[in-house]
Amino acid sequence: DAKTTQPTSMDCAEGRAANLPCNHSTISGNEYVYWYRQIHSQGPQYIIHGLKNNETNEMASLIITEDRKSSTLILPHATLRDTAVYYCIPPNNLFFGTGTRLTVIP
Amino acid sequence: EPEVTQTPSHQVTQMGQEVILRCVPISNHLYFYWYRQILGQKVEFLVSFYNNEISEKSEIFDDQFSVERPDGSNFTLKIRSTKLEDSAMYFCASSDPIGGSSQPQHFGDGTRLSIL
Repeated sequence: DAKTTQPTSMDCAEGRAANLPCNHSTISGNEYVYWYRQIHSQGPQYIIHGLKNNETNEMASLIITEDRKSSTLILPHATLRDTAVYYCIPPNNLFFGTGTRLTVIP
Repeated sequence: EPEVTQTPSHQVTQMGQEVILRCVPISNHLYFYWYRQILGQKVEFLVSFYNNEISEKSEIFDDQFSVERPDGSNFTLKIRSTKLEDSAMYFCASSDPIGGSSQPQHFGDGTRLSIL
């Protein structure tokens, strides 16, 4: 199973872009990378997913390196409500890691 | 936007008692999941369910646990003889059948289970 590695925590100033990295060097060629977040004790919330092209939706952008060994989730203008734990996980790997705790600072 | 709903939001049960946690997945979804999160720890996968059978389960999902889709809308998790260490948030999730199980999961807000 593909494994992912994320920094434990990050801070970001309110209004600035938050860039959250993830290494997934063991991902296979046809596996998507999914990003979720968990705000406090709420259920995880789907953010975005991608295979090899960069993706953007109303919540975030996802940049995937050409070799697909890593990706970066970008929240273009972080707000205080974006403070959460962010997880990147491959599909069919149903196991959440510890994720990155993002704290948006006023 | 359709949501996954879970009831009750908080369940308090005596140790040794049986408990059933209920979930109503999004109506056209066919893949269903249960996760748990012990306070302060990570989200842990328990079981996935498709086509009326378990498709995958973790080591946590032992004989004490069972899942059922009793009708066309509900998906339940039963814990037969609860232990103190079963105290946790339990999250239900569902995903769209198009493209198989590799679809985003939509989570409910969870049931907080407290075992006394």
